[in-house]
Amino acid sequence: DAGVTQSPTHLIKTRGQHVTLRCSPISGHKSVSWYQQVLGQGPQFIFQYYEKEERGRGNFPDRFSARQFPNYSSELNVNALLLGDSALYLCASSSSDRGSTGYTFGSGTRLTVV
Amino acid sequence: GEDVEQSLFLSVREGDSSVINCTYTDSSSTYLYWYKQEPGAGLQLLTYIFSNMDMKQDQRLTVLLNKKDKHLSLRIADTQTGDSAIYFCAESLGATSGTYKYIFGTGTRLKVLA
Repeated sequence: DAGVTQSPTHLIKTRGQHVTLRCSPISGHKSVSWYQQVLGQGPQFIFQYYEKEERGRGNFPDRFSARQFPNYSSELNVNALLLGDSALYLCASSSSDRGSTGYTFGSGTRLTVV
Repeated sequence: GEDVEQSLFLSVREGDSSVINCTYTDSSSTYLYWYKQEPGAGLQLLTYIFSNMDMKQDQRLTVLLNKKDKHLSLRIADTQTGDSAIYFCAESLGATSGTYKYIFGTGTRLKVLA
């Protein structure tokens, strides 16, 4: 069975540009969450989607947006990139909205903003 | 508040036991998790514990939870060089808000010496 897949794996962008990151959850998982992991820190919650609806967002500016598609895949969009947006972006999926038995994480997209 | 703290580094000899500690602040956490992250990789779920339990054992892993002190620990028996990684403690929040998110600690880097 395929796990959580994210694309691309690495990305280099220039300040001010826009980026779209993609995530395919495990088959049958309806909940997708996005996390940002800055080097040397733990992941920080950005968004949760369940059944194509946004369930919540973390303390991130409006430059960050996301959506979930009918097949439960998801996109994370970041506009007007700043140097501080450089990080590993992790997508996680779960069969339930609560993720009680643990979210399964993808390998992440490493974004470098120059 | 939402805060999870871990010590930054731990070094042990191969074959010894490792104990990684974590403290959290939110008493409404229903589940607590341990994740492992190897260099350049995403997060791998190791184990989790429900908040009404005080111990859970899974092969070489033992989780202890002291809910009164909001203290969680992960013991790895017979530590191997392949256990070298960063270990993250996480608490699950959302029972009251409806947004289910994990709050991660900063991670403990475990180095296993041969």
